[in-house]
Amino acid sequence: GEDVEQSLFLSVREGDSSVINCTYTDSSSTYLYWYKQEPGAGLQLLTYIFSNMDMKQDQRLTVLLNKKDKHLSLRIADTQTGDSAIYFCAESISGAGSYQLTFGKGTKLSVIP
Amino acid sequence: KAGVTQTPRYLIKTRGQQVTLSCSPISGHRSVSWYQQTPGQGLQFLFEYFSETQRNKGNFPGRFSGRQFSNSRSEMNVSTLELGDSALYLCASSLGRAENTIYFGEGSWLTVV
Repeated sequence: GEDVEQSLFLSVREGDSSVINCTYTDSSSTYLYWYKQEPGAGLQLLTYIFSNMDMKQDQRLTVLLNKKDKHLSLRIADTQTGDSAIYFCAESISGAGSYQLTFGKGTKLSVIP
Repeated sequence: KAGVTQTPRYLIKTRGQQVTLSCSPISGHRSVSWYQQTPGQGLQFLFEYFSETQRNKGNFPGRFSGRQFSNSRSEMNVSTLELGDSALYLCASSLGRAENTIYFGEGSWLTVV
């Protein structure tokens, strides 16, 4: 079956790096996504990685993918108070000409000034 | 380029009523997906439409339905509302293939009283 797991909470000090981890189970995933959700808002696409890649860097964000262990991580460098939000890991599962995202429960990142 | 637009943003309905939510995808995107977000169940896939056809459906009762118009705009309808239908309903827009990136709107907050 499909299941995406994340730790629920992470607390870091402003200026430090944050690392949010995620494990997934579907071996046919095409894309793996990271979304950010601020209170009262929708999902903001942060970054994504193809399942045939190992790493992707985008400004302060670095995504690492370990396909063998089905482990995905998101590193935020120089974490700021504006990074406080819930971060969702999601895998895109395709089949029968369609696709859908399966989400983790989200990791609430708290940044301490 | 405009993002994914959802209307209304907030609404309150009474048990037994029905509700229709609207989503306008990013210009050029032909795929629209709907997700329900609740504190207990997290983010769950409702259905996906592409070129006016429902290609995929999640595990929700028949009270949840949707459609897509020729201009790619989509609506979802929930009939005979229950208290448990209170949730944030999110619309996602994509070009339509599993390898295409998926963008979300700000969501429609539905409260059933």
